[in-house]
Amino acid sequence: DSGVTQTPKHLITATGQRVTLRCSPRSGDLSVYWYQQSLDQGLQFLIQYYNGEERAKGNILERFSAQQFPDLHSELNLSSLELGDSALYFCASSVRTGGNTIYFGEGSWLTVV
Amino acid sequence: AQRVTQPEKLLSVFKGAPVELKCNYSYSGSPELFWYVQYSRQRLQLLLRHISRESIKGFTADLNKGETSFHLKKPFAQEEDSAMYYCALGAGSARQLTFGSGTQLTVLP
Repeated sequence: DSGVTQTPKHLITATGQRVTLRCSPRSGDLSVYWYQQSLDQGLQFLIQYYNGEERAKGNILERFSAQQFPDLHSELNLSSLELGDSALYFCASSVRTGGNTIYFGEGSWLTVV
Repeated sequence: AQRVTQPEKLLSVFKGAPVELKCNYSYSGSPELFWYVQYSRQRLQLLLRHISRESIKGFTADLNKGETSFHLKKPFAQEEDSAMYYCALGAGSARQLTFGSGTQLTVLP
């Protein structure tokens, strides 16, 4: 158990809908990362937050957004869902940004039908 | 921009044989390299990081800056080593990880 908690574990939704994925980092970790793992694209970095502020942005679509709350949990919002958004979404956390190991959660399986 | 290349999508070896999973990186600064392992689409688990120079589950990896490589090696593969292995580069101001495309290792009995 890495200590990073993600909910829900599985989610099935229809095209055009909106979903929210939730992540609780390890206790004491200030930095949260979101990654998307799909069969054709591999592991893609989406976005990183550090202590509530956006720190780095990767290949995140405009339809997607994220935030980190004062209690350090984070949410990834996916809207106007398309079939191609079906993927495993990982959250990860680290103590600080830069120069340390990041630990991954179990992931949230999203299936868009 | 940083890039990680894992040239082998699939790699099969027999139990007891040596295994080497290749990883090359491209980054102009001072890199941090990691190997993560993923069993059956579960969470990614840290296997090694180059700064610790440790051996985990019999795996080792040496950073070769001249060849920009960080290959993962194990002298005697075990069936339980069958998994997806990802090489990752920590770079940029935020040190977010850039992952390679992964190598699926299958250890045959």
